[in-house]
Amino acid sequence: AQSVTQPDIHITVSEGASLELRCNYSYGATPYLFWYVQSPGQGLQLLLKYFSGDTLVQGIKGFEAEFKRSQSSFNLRKPSVHWSDAAEYFCAVVTSYNTDKLIFGTGTRLQVFP
Amino acid sequence: DVKVTQSSRYLVKRTGEKVFLECVQDMDHENMFWYRQDPGLGLRLIYFSYDVKMKEKGDIPEGYSVSREKKERFSLILESASTNQTSMYLCASSSRHSGNTIYFGEGSWLTVV
Repeated sequence: AQSVTQPDIHITVSEGASLELRCNYSYGATPYLFWYVQSPGQGLQLLLKYFSGDTLVQGIKGFEAEFKRSQSSFNLRKPSVHWSDAAEYFCAVVTSYNTDKLIFGTGTRLQVFP
Repeated sequence: DVKVTQSSRYLVKRTGEKVFLECVQDMDHENMFWYRQDPGLGLRLIYFSYDVKMKEKGDIPEGYSVSREKKERFSLILESASTNQTSMYLCASSSRHSGNTIYFGEGSWLTVV
């Protein structure tokens, strides 16, 4: 069965530090992969997506993610975190290309200290 | 910009009440979704619809039903609300023509007392 694992429930970093959020997926075919961010009390905003092609994907707000098929991973990175990046981050995979059904990981809450 | 609007941000309902959560999108998307979000569980798909009057069960459909009479509107119905349905509900929409990107509303917080 398809699944997405985010092994880190909660991460704390200092402002200006680099960030990597982990995501592993289980999916037989070529996946469509997404990272979403959710600020407190808000809906989800798309950060970036991978469908095919270049395995390093650039997104909004200075985020990037790298698709590694051999490791079944799609980790999110940012070289220098800002206090406004504090939020919850969700990795997701589409399981049906016709209907865009998403399976989400359980999320990683990011806390940023000044 | 795509707009997915959930009409009610915060609701408090009593056990046994019938609850309607409404969602409207303005981009003529054929796919619409209802997710439920709970701490530590991420988002779980309740129902989705890929066309008017079409619906399919997601991973946790028990206790819920949906209605899609018009393309832009997708309603989630709790026939008899229970306390374990207290949660954040998120509506989303997508289209093949939007690059399969899924757009989310801001969510509806439902408390059942």
